[in-house]
Amino acid sequence: DAGVIQSPRHEVTEMGQEVTLRCKPISGHDYLFWYRQTMMRGLELLIYFNNNVPIDDSGMPEDRFSAKMPNASFSTLKIQPSEPRDSAVYFCASSLFWNTGELFFGEGSRLTVL
Amino acid sequence: AQTVTQSQPEMSVQEAETVTLSCTYDTSESDYYLFWYKQPPSRQMILVIRQEAYKQQNATENRFSVNFQKAAKSFSLKISDSQLGDAAMYFCARRGADGLTFGKGTHLIIQP
Repeated sequence: DAGVIQSPRHEVTEMGQEVTLRCKPISGHDYLFWYRQTMMRGLELLIYFNNNVPIDDSGMPEDRFSAKMPNASFSTLKIQPSEPRDSAVYFCASSLFWNTGELFFGEGSRLTVL
Repeated sequence: AQTVTQSQPEMSVQEAETVTLSCTYDTSESDYYLFWYKQPPSRQMILVIRQEAYKQQNATENRFSVNFQKAAKSFSLKISDSQLGDAAMYFCARRGADGLTFGKGTHLIIQP
């Protein structure tokens, strides 16, 4: 079974541009998570979905960030407009249950905003 | 917020030696899960080992084992016979009713 698939692997863009990161979770997993990783703040949970419905987006830094999950096999994280401080590695992860078992992570998308 | 603390930002060990990475956490729950994830330079987050809080027996996966002290809220990772491929960032994480919380990580260096 394929793991969590993220794209792009690397993205370099200029300040002000729109960025869209994509994620395909493991089939059958009901929960999908978006994390951001920086040296300063470590791994931060941005938002998570249950059965395609956003449950908690309190970690989304500001209105420039939005996430959608139109179906069980696809999610996007969009930043518009992007800023240099958004530079980070963004991880998508999925799991079967909310509070038990492990999260399965994608390989991450490294975003650089110039 | 319920936190996970890794007090060692960096550890160094000689190849073939044993190293222990520390982790403490804060929780008011009685049932939860604890994990150690490894993040090599490739960036992929890889599960190393997991422990269910209701199990008293310490989890073991080949060269990796944990020392789980529930009362002390401590969850250390022991790596035996360290190998060059073990070099990575190691993250301790706790999963409970409030989701998955990560520590800041420990950078493990393996000296050949």
